Amino acid sequence: DQQVKQNSPSLSVQEGRISILNCDYTNSMFDYFLWYKKYPAEGPTFLISISSIKDKNEDGRFTVFLNKSAKHLSLHIVPSQPGDSAVYFCAASAGNQFYFGTGTSLTVIP
Amino acid sequence: KAGVTQTPRYLIKTRGQQVTLSCSPISGHRSVSWYQQTPGQGLQFLFEYFSETQRNKGNFPGRFSGRQFSNSRSEMNVSTLELGDSALYLCASSLSTIQAYGYTFGSGTRLTVV
Repeated sequence: DQQVKQNSPSLSVQEGRISILNCDYTNSMFDYFLWYKKYPAEGPTFLISISSIKDKNEDGRFTVFLNKSAKHLSLHIVPSQPGDSAVYFCAASAGNQFYFGTGTSLTVIP
Repeated sequence: KAGVTQTPRYLIKTRGQQVTLSCSPISGHRSVSWYQQTPGQGLQFLFEYFSETQRNKGNFPGRFSGRQFSNSRSEMNVSTLELGDSALYLCASSLSTIQAYGYTFGSGTRLTVV
């Protein structure tokens, strides 16, 4: 039972434009949501997080939005750069366990 | 500051064998978690250890086990390997239960079962 879902396996965006990665979840008990970025042959690296008591968190070019009523999370990258090309995983936590989505492969075209 | 170190990086085993994977967390990190990554399944949680105690366990068969030592290093063991166990196994460490900061992952051990 996949509690965190990323329905778009891939996304292509032109350099300089906005990248929007989406994530849906089913468990209303999740209290933290995170985004990770993964390059091939490396482990995922933490990107940004948001608490369930907030609806937006910003860090430089990265902004995460949380819509609790829709159980939806999104990551906006503005402006997108070629170095952002990677697989992005969203994750949600309840207690000491994280639940990960299946990932979205972002390609930023120069 | 050294990151999370996983050994070996690559492993090829035969069906029916057993395998042990090792993880050294970041110094000072007491929580170690293990994940299995397969195409289309994302990262599936295996288990989490904190101060040598298994605190959480995912939905994997008993063939998958782990332990944590007093220096926080952790090992994961898979017995009676099956072809479907071929995956990237990721170890992650964190200070404690600060979920806002997530984990720091190692580069993983790529296990191939033939």
